[in-house]
Formats: sequence, C-alpha cells, structure tokens
Amino acid sequence: AQSVAQPEDQVNVAEGNPLTVKCTYSVSGNPYLFWYVQYPNRGLQFLLKYITGDNLVKGSYGFEAEFNKSQTSFHLKKPSALVSDSALYFCAVRVSRSGSARQLTFGSGTQLTVLP
Amino acid sequence: NAGVTQTPKFRVLKTGQSMTLLCAQDMNHEYMYWYRQDPGMGLRLIHYSVGEGTTAKGEVPDGYNVSRLKKQNFLLGLESAAPSQTSVYFCASSYSGTGVADTQYFGPGTRLTVL
Repeated sequence: AQSVAQPEDQVNVAEGNPLTVKCTYSVSGNPYLFWYVQYPNRGLQFLLKYITGDNLVKGSYGFEAEFNKSQTSFHLKKPSALVSDSALYFCAVRVSRSGSARQLTFGSGTQLTVLP
Repeated sequence: NAGVTQTPKFRVLKTGQSMTLLCAQDMNHEYMYWYRQDPGMGLRLIHYSVGEGTTAKGEVPDGYNVSRLKKQNFLLGLESAAPSQTSVYFCASSYSGTGVADTQYFGPGTRLTVL
C-alpha cells in the first residue's frame, strides 16, 4: 500500500519570507511524487513532479521540491512567498512499477496562508 | 482546448434520488478518474477507467457506478443518494504513456449536497 502524510494542516508565512510545505510518503518500490495546488472553489492544478534523476525539481510559479529518499520526503519550497500563493496544497504519490493503473494517493492537504 | 470539464457545477439532492455527473476531456487521454474530496481527507479515488469501455473500482466505490462509453466522457452515477455522499467530486484524466509518470489534469469540480 502507498500513503502520503502532510503533517501540517496549516502553514502561515509572511510575504517575502521562504516557505516550506512538508510531505512524507510510504511506498513499496520507486515513487513518483507530485504537488498540486487548489485555489478556493477551483480544481487542482499541477505544480511539479519527481520521476527520477535530479533530486531538486522546479515547477510552476517559482515553486520547487526536493526529493529525499533516505527521509522519504518531498517538501515543497519557494524562496519568497507571495500573498497570491495562499491556497490548499496537496502532495500525491504513485508507485512506478509497470501495470499500475496510475492511481494517485493524496495527502490530506496543507492550507498555506501568506500574510501581507 | 477546454481541458477537463464537469457538469453540473452544483447540485442538491434529496436522500434516495439519483443523478449522473458528466466529465468530458478534449486531450485524447486514455485514463480517466473520479475522486471525492472531503474536509481533512484529501482526495479519494472512487472509480477509474483505463480506456473506452473499461472501468475499475478505486478506494471508495460503494454507492457509485460509472460508465465510459466514449473515450472523451466518463460518467459517475449515484443510484440512491445518501447524506454521506455530500462532497465535492472531481474528475481527472491522464495520457496513457510508455511508463513514465503521467500527470493527472483535473476538472473544476461538482459540489453535491444530499439532504
């Protein structure tokens, strides 16, 4: 079975400060990891994904995430937060083995609030 | 290119009523999915389809049925709605690739309330 944990329900950060949204995962095999963002009353938007290779993945809107295999983590980061980054963020994992139906397992979400 | 669209956006049902949610995608994706989103629980997979004419159960399939008669459409049905099915429903699709991770693209959601 695969699972994802987002240990913080809420993260508050001041505008201009760096932000981190935490994610840890558990899978049997090599993971494919994703970050999605959800703005109020909207669907999920893809931010970035890790498949293989470089542990630092860069995505949309200046976000990046670092894959750490030893700590089974995939934390989302941004060097300088904007008020417009305030949203609900979801981490998701899928196992890489062939034959998978590409089922994603999502974390419970982290509400990010950037304070002006 | 509209991406993934969902109909309707909002719906209120009485217990025992039935309804169908429609998902359509114009990206020629093979895979389609139905999720439900409940507070504090993230998204949970209800059913999915790996191609036209095929469907499979996800994590929480009870009380729902699906059909994929056309490649671009994926329907989610509630035969006898229950208050526990009050939720926001999201459809998603992904391209059937060669084993590299596929990105799922989501629709805007349907907010369903069952009284």
